[in-house]
Amino acid sequence: DAGVIQSPRHEVTEMGQEVTLRCKPISGHNSLFWYRQTMMRGLELLIYFNNNVPIDDSGMPEDRFSAKMPNASFSTLKIQPSEPRDSAVYFCASTSGGRVLGNTIYFGEGSWLTVV
Amino acid sequence: AQTVTQSQPEMSVQEAETVTLSCTYDTSENNYYLFWYKQPPSRQMILVIRQEAYKQQNATENRFSVNFQKAAKSFSLKISDSQLGDTAMYFCAFMKLNYGGATNKLIFGTGTLLAVQP
Repeated sequence: DAGVIQSPRHEVTEMGQEVTLRCKPISGHNSLFWYRQTMMRGLELLIYFNNNVPIDDSGMPEDRFSAKMPNASFSTLKIQPSEPRDSAVYFCASTSGGRVLGNTIYFGEGSWLTVV
Repeated sequence: AQTVTQSQPEMSVQEAETVTLSCTYDTSENNYYLFWYKQPPSRQMILVIRQEAYKQQNATENRFSVNFQKAAKSFSLKISDSQLGDTAMYFCAFMKLNYGGATNKLIFGTGTLLAVQP
């Protein structure tokens, strides 16, 4: 079975440019998460969706960040304009939820973003 | 709010030996899940083991086992017969269980960097 698929795997961009990260969750999963990992702040939850609806976006740093989930099989995280402090590994993760299925969250391989 | 604490930033173990990584958490919830994730140099987050708080029996997965002490809010990971491939960052994580089974978010500790020495 395909896991969580993220693209791009690596991106280097100049400050001020728009960055779009993409995620395809595991088929059948109804919850999707975006996490950011940096040396200084560790793993931070940015936003998560249940059934395509944003549930908690309190971790989104500021208005420069936005996330969408137009359907059950696709989500985007957009940064506009990007800044050097946005350099991080961005993880997308998904789960099927529910007590019976255990709520285990599966992660993609991450998108490494460098803003210069 | 829930917090997860990993007090060992780095640890080292000889190949084939046993090592235990510590994790404590703070919550007022009674129903939750606890997880250990492994992050090798590739940065991929890999689930190692999971424990449901309502289960008294400690979870095991091959060489990996946990010591779950609910009253003490402690959740340590034991790795037996350590292998070079176990070298990685290990994260402890907490998830509150919503009634009805709806998914909630994972809250991570700061991680323990484990080095397995040949």
